[in-house]
Amino acid sequence: DQQVKQNSPSLSVQEGRISILNCDYTNSMFDYFLWYKKYPAEGPTFLISISSIKDKNEDGRFTVFLNKSAKHLSLHIVPSQPGDSAVYFCAASAADSWGKLQFGAGTQVVVTP
Amino acid sequence: NAGVTQTPKFRILKIGQSMTLQCTQDMNHNYMYWYRQDPGMGLKLIYYSVGAGITDKGEVPNGYNVSRSTTEDFPLRLELAAPSQTSVYFCASSPQGAQPQHFGDGTRLSIL
Repeated sequence: DQQVKQNSPSLSVQEGRISILNCDYTNSMFDYFLWYKKYPAEGPTFLISISSIKDKNEDGRFTVFLNKSAKHLSLHIVPSQPGDSAVYFCAASAADSWGKLQFGAGTQVVVTP
Repeated sequence: NAGVTQTPKFRILKIGQSMTLQCTQDMNHNYMYWYRQDPGMGLKLIYYSVGAGITDKGEVPNGYNVSRSTTEDFPLRLELAAPSQTSVYFCASSPQGAQPQHFGDGTRLSIL
């Protein structure tokens, strides 16, 4: 039972434009959400997080938006750069779950010149 | 600062063999986790630990065992390797539960 879904397996965007990655979840107990970035042959690297008490969090070029009523979050990257080409995973955890993460299947982002 | 270190990076096993995947962290994190990632899928939690001497099952624990005798080390044991355990295995750690996890670079395991 996939509780975190990333329905777009891939995304191609031009350098300098905005990348928008989407993530949906089904478990209403989730209250902490994270985005990870992964390059080939490396482990996932933490990018940005948001707790359920907020609806937006920014860190430089990265902004995460949370819509709790729709059980939806998105990651905006602006402007997109060639080094942003990677797989992006959405993950979520519930308050009483000892930090156990549920991951989406990932979105492959390719930034073209 | 090494972070989370996993060894080996690659391994090929025959069906029925056993092995231990090593994971060590130098950040003095209390929480440690083992995940597996199958092709085209997200990471799935195998086992986790909230401190030395304390471990518990995750989503896909069958066929695996863990121990946590020190804060730094969290080895994952496969007793009777099966083809379904062919995967990439990631170890992670965090200071507490609701905080970002730091990942190692993974162990790519093939069972033939």
